[in-house]
Amino acid sequence: NAGVTQTPKFQVLKTGQSMTLQCAQDMNHEYMSWYRQDPGMGLRLIHYSVGAGITDQGEVPNGYNVSRSTTEDFPLRLLSAAPSQTSVYFCASSYRVGGRQPQHFGDGTRLSIL
Amino acid sequence: KNEVEQSPQNLTAQEGEFITINCSYSVGISALHWLQQHPGGGIVSLFMLSSGKKKHGRLIATINIQEKHSSLHITASHPRDSAVYICAVGNFGNEKLTFGTGTRLTIIP
Repeated sequence: NAGVTQTPKFQVLKTGQSMTLQCAQDMNHEYMSWYRQDPGMGLRLIHYSVGAGITDQGEVPNGYNVSRSTTEDFPLRLLSAAPSQTSVYFCASSYRVGGRQPQHFGDGTRLSIL
Repeated sequence: KNEVEQSPQNLTAQEGEFITINCSYSVGISALHWLQQHPGGGIVSLFMLSSGKKKHGRLIATINIQEKHSSLHITASHPRDSAVYICAVGNFGNEKLTFGTGTRLTIIP
């Protein structure tokens, strides 16, 4: 059981470039989410999905896109990278949506936009 | 929106000391989570609780629903406990999580 796997672990981009952060889980979890972690702030929700084919916006969705074609995968796309998107990104999953669900996190992707 | 506050922001202690990290929130919740983040690493869930107390090894988590307050205790602290500890609450209604900013714990040998 690998849990939640994120790739890459590190990435440096130039302003305007696009890229996709990958997230996969092998626990058959319905709920998957993307967070960003910035210094001095709590994790903030970017996008989430309650099942294959269903996605919705979180607190800070601008500049990001997601899709959920399978239960296992939930990629996060940066459409045109900006320095303000420099952050550490975490993917998380839980069996179902809800604050009472144990959360499983990936190891994070450290992204720098120059 | 729920406001989650953790204290202290930073804590340095000697090995063996008893550690307490606090978390307060402003609005009623469905559950509270304690998470651990090691330097350069991922986030691991330590506890999820909605009432009372839970214990796992040297870690103990308590919650007082009436006071809207939770504590994470570490007994006989060890340098490997050095990490950032994050409190998160599940919100009624939208069921999303609101995160605190974390407490950075350093245990000196």
